[in-house]
Order: sequence, then C-alpha cells, then structure tokens
Amino acid sequence: DAGVIQSPRHEVTEMGQEVTLRCKPISGHNSLFWYRQTMMRGLELLIYFNNNVPIDDSGMPEDRFSAKMPNASFSTLKIQPSEPRDSAVYFCASSGDSDRDFGPGTRLTVL
Amino acid sequence: AQKVTQAQTEISVVEKEDVTLDCVYETRDTTYYLFWYKQPPSGELVFLIRRNSFDEQNEISGRYSWNFQKSTSSFNFTITASQVVDSAVYFCALSEGSKTGANSKLTFGKGITLSVRP
Repeated sequence: DAGVIQSPRHEVTEMGQEVTLRCKPISGHNSLFWYRQTMMRGLELLIYFNNNVPIDDSGMPEDRFSAKMPNASFSTLKIQPSEPRDSAVYFCASSGDSDRDFGPGTRLTVL
Repeated sequence: AQKVTQAQTEISVVEKEDVTLDCVYETRDTTYYLFWYKQPPSGELVFLIRRNSFDEQNEISGRYSWNFQKSTSSFNFTITASQVVDSAVYFCALSEGSKTGANSKLTFGKGITLSVRP
C-alpha cells in the first residue's frame, strides 16, 4: 500500500493566485481529513469527509478555501485567491476502521 | 469542547536518559480516543498509539510506554533510554467518541519538541 498520497509536495506561488492541493486516500478508507500546520496555530482540522460527504467544515478559514471529494479516491483543497498568511504545511489523512494515516504533506509558500 | 494541553514545549535530554512527555485532555464525551504522533525533522506524522477511554491499561512497546489515567485526564508518554533518533516533535491528540475513533476528527495539542543530545 502506497499510503496517503499528496501532490504537490511543495508549492510556491504568488499572492492572488489559485492553489489546488490534491490527496489520494488509502483504498478502502471512508473518511478523509484536511489539516493545516503552522508555527503559530499548530495542527488545525480544516474539513473532513465521511463517504465523500463533508461532515464538518467549521475549520475552513474563510470563503477563499474550498474542498471537494468527488469520489472515494480523490480530494482537493483549493485556495482562491491565495494570501501570504496561507503559507503552511497542509496534511491530508484518511481512515477506515483502523488508525488515522497521514500523507507526507504539501508545503505551501505564498509570496 | 475538546482540548488537549501539552504544557511542555521543549525538552532536551542526553542520550540514554528517560524522558516523559505530558498530555492532559478535556472532553465531555464518555467515549473517546487518545493518540500520540511523532513528527521527525523530515516532517511526516508517524502514528505511535491509539487508546480508547475504556482501556486504562498501560501500554509498553519497546522503549516506549504510555500511562493513561482517567482520574487526572492524562495520557503521558515515556521514552526509556532515549536515543538521538527520538529527536522529534511529539503530538498528543483526542478524538470524539465513535465506533473506533478512526472516523471522527482529531484535536491536537501544540506538540513537544524533544531534543536528544549524544
């Protein structure tokens, strides 16, 4: 099993640009989570899905952030327009009936 | 609301010392799950342990051990005979009650940076 796959691993963009982060969960896992990690705020849950349905998006910072899960094997987190304060590491995690598996993260830098 | 407090922010020890990382949690759920994750300098989050609220038995895995005490709402982690490779940030986390704890959201503590010097 390849584990949770995230792409890109690193992204550098300019303020105002659209950014799309991608996640492929582990096959058979029915829950998917997006987290953001910053020095100031630590690890924060942004949104999570059960069976492709968003369950809790209360952690999404503002309307510039959106997340989709069109099928059980793919999810995206989009930031439009991006701002420097969005710079962080974004983790995707998936789970089934066992423990939570995290992807390697996407390091986003917004200049 | 759920909350996880890791009061220690940074700990530095010399190799072979024992070290305990503290975790205190708050929840109104009667069923909940507690986790520890390790984040080495490479940045990935490595799962270490999950414990449910009905199982207060201490757990030992090699040099690692965990002490869960509901009476004090604590889930402390001890590394025995620490090694340089143990240097990392360690996170304690809490999830809402569910069948396994796997499908509900995790609330993380701020993390403890452990440095093990040779």
